[in-house]
Amino acid sequence: AQSVTQLDSQVPVFEEAPVELRCNYSSSVSVYLFWYVQYPNQGLQLLLKYLSGSTLVKGINGFEAEFNKSQTSFHLRKPSVHISDTAEYFCAVSNTGNQFYFGTGTSLTVIP
Amino acid sequence: DGGITQSPKYLFRKEGQNVTLSCEQNLNHDAMYWYRQDPGQGLRLIYYSQIVNDFQKGDIAEGYSVSREKKESFPLTVTSAQKNPTAFYLCASSIDAHKGEQFFGPGTRLTVL
Repeated sequence: AQSVTQLDSQVPVFEEAPVELRCNYSSSVSVYLFWYVQYPNQGLQLLLKYLSGSTLVKGINGFEAEFNKSQTSFHLRKPSVHISDTAEYFCAVSNTGNQFYFGTGTSLTVIP
Repeated sequence: DGGITQSPKYLFRKEGQNVTLSCEQNLNHDAMYWYRQDPGQGLRLIYYSQIVNDFQKGDIAEGYSVSREKKESFPLTVTSAQKNPTAFYLCASSIDAHKGEQFFGPGTRLTVL
């Protein structure tokens, strides 16, 4: 089975500063990679996904992520965060099997 | 608008009672999923269904049951056998179970009194 590790459970960052949320997954022949955002008491919303092609993926709200096969990583980045980016972020992986595997989440807090 | 609906948003139940959480989708997706979310533990898969009249246990199926009689609907029953049912429950769907993103409903927060 796949495993997904989000290395930071909490990330505080000042408004307009850059941020990187880290995600590593266990090796597999081919994987599909996703980042989701969750606001309090809501469902998960897709930020971006990597299925194939360019390793740099751009998503909504100014976020982007880079797929690094050799390091089995899919880190999420944003060059300048806003207060509204305060939320929980989940990395997810699926392979040619039947299931998604989610990380335990990273709580991003943007400080004014 | 296409999407996934879950009802109710908040649910309270007495210990020892069964309760059913609703999940409906109009996205014409074949696959549907139920997750449980607890603080600091991320999402854990309870059950999933790849097609009508078929479903499989996930990682934490004990104390839960599901049915998939219609493509659009995947209700989850939390039985009295579930020892710690207080949690946030999320339903999701995807075009198929093998790739592509999952779309999530707004969730149901279940509290056992």
